[in-house]
Order: sequence, then structure tokens, then C-alpha cells
Amino acid sequence: EVQLVESGGGLVQPGGSLRLSCAASGFSFSNYWMSWVRQAPGKGLEWVANIKQDGSEKYYVDSVKGRFTISRDNAKNSLYLQMNSLRAEDTAVYYCARLVAVATLDYWGQGTLVTVSS
Amino acid sequence: QSALTQPASVSGSPGQSITISCTGTSSDVGAYNYVSWYQQHPGKAPKLMIYEVSNRPSGVSNRFSGSKSGNTASLTISGLQAEDEADYYCSSYTRSSTLVFGTGTKVTVL
Repeated sequence: EVQLVESGGGLVQPGGSLRLSCAASGFSFSNYWMSWVRQAPGKGLEWVANIKQDGSEKYYVDSVKGRFTISRDNAKNSLYLQMNSLRAEDTAVYYCARLVAVATLDYWGQGTLVTVSS
Repeated sequence: QSALTQPASVSGSPGQSITISCTGTSSDVGAYNYVSWYQQHPGKAPKLMIYEVSNRPSGVSNRFSGSKSGNTASLTISGLQAEDEADYYCSSYTRSSTLVFGTGTKVTVL
């Protein structure tokens, strides 16, 4: 059974940093692109970033470029999102998801809440 | 990277059919057959319902179908049931090798 479990969310002050993790199991993690998607409270879904199987390609939404870094450790079956210079508008539930066939997010984690507030 | 445009809400009675539109541009929806649809119940993670415009994952009811014409994709739910009441989001691959989601549609079963 495919499982994705996010962790690392919490309350952080504006300008602060946070690192999210996503533990994957039930599939061959190193064979798949992975993604982060976020959802602000009461708002819609927003794609954040993708990473290729070997980490050689990464793509980001414009609003996080230069502040967020997606990475992975295939030996640990883990996906990460390093978030720096956090802003109030980054407050959201962050989901990790498996990406297949270029643009299909077929499995999602339960999400982890990040709150940016003073 | 503007969000794809969806109607804010759509409603229907049990047994009826409803259609949700998803309008993008020639740089996303119109450029590729990489449109997906996701269902999200309150407090839950999104669930894949349709991928590559019209394909259903295993386990998804055949009451859900997808199509595309030009820059607009559509999701049709036939034989509407109470359990279909949820938020629905489309997404598309873009020419920038990124993904973009729709604004979301709240489906209400009357």
C-alpha cells in the first residue's frame, strides 16, 4: 500500500525557516517524480514544486522561487521541502504527492500545517 | 502561472448529471492532454478522479468522466449521489514544465 506521511509543520515567525519531510513507503520511491502542493486555509490547491527521480530537475511556482528548495534522499525514501524567508501568505497545509505520467498526482499524504505568524 | 478558471459552485439533485468546466490557455490546458481532476472532501487530502483528460484510475466510479475541447476541460458527474458532494479541482501541465490547479468548484447535492 502506498503511503506518504508528512511531518515538520508548525508555527514559525515571518522571516523564519522550516523543513518539511515526507516519508514514503509501499512503492519504489526512487523511480518516481515527487511533488509538494499546498492549500491555504479555506482556499484552493496550489502546486509548489516537483523533483525528478534523481534530483537533477526541480521546478517551482514563481512565488517560492529563491526561498523554497525541494530535495530528496532515495536511500531514506524521503522527500523534503526547505522553506526560508517565510511569509504570512505561506501559511497552508502542505501535501506531498507522487507524480506519475508527467502531470498526475496519484497518491497524496494527509498534509502538515505550516502557520507563519508573529 | 495563473490558476485555471472553474465555476465557484455547481449543484444538482440526486440522479442528475452536472458538468464542471476548467478553462486555461494555449500554454496549459490547450497545449497538452495532461489534465487531471481531483475530489476533496472537507478536512481530507485530494483524491485523483480523472487523469490525462479522460482516464479513470482503478476504483473510481464510471459516473465520473472527463473531456477537453481547446483550452477548456470538463468533468461530468452522472447519476449524482450524496457522496459526490465535495470540492473539485482540475490541474494541467504547462509549457514551463510546471503544474497549475484550477480555482476549485464546490459541488452541492440538493
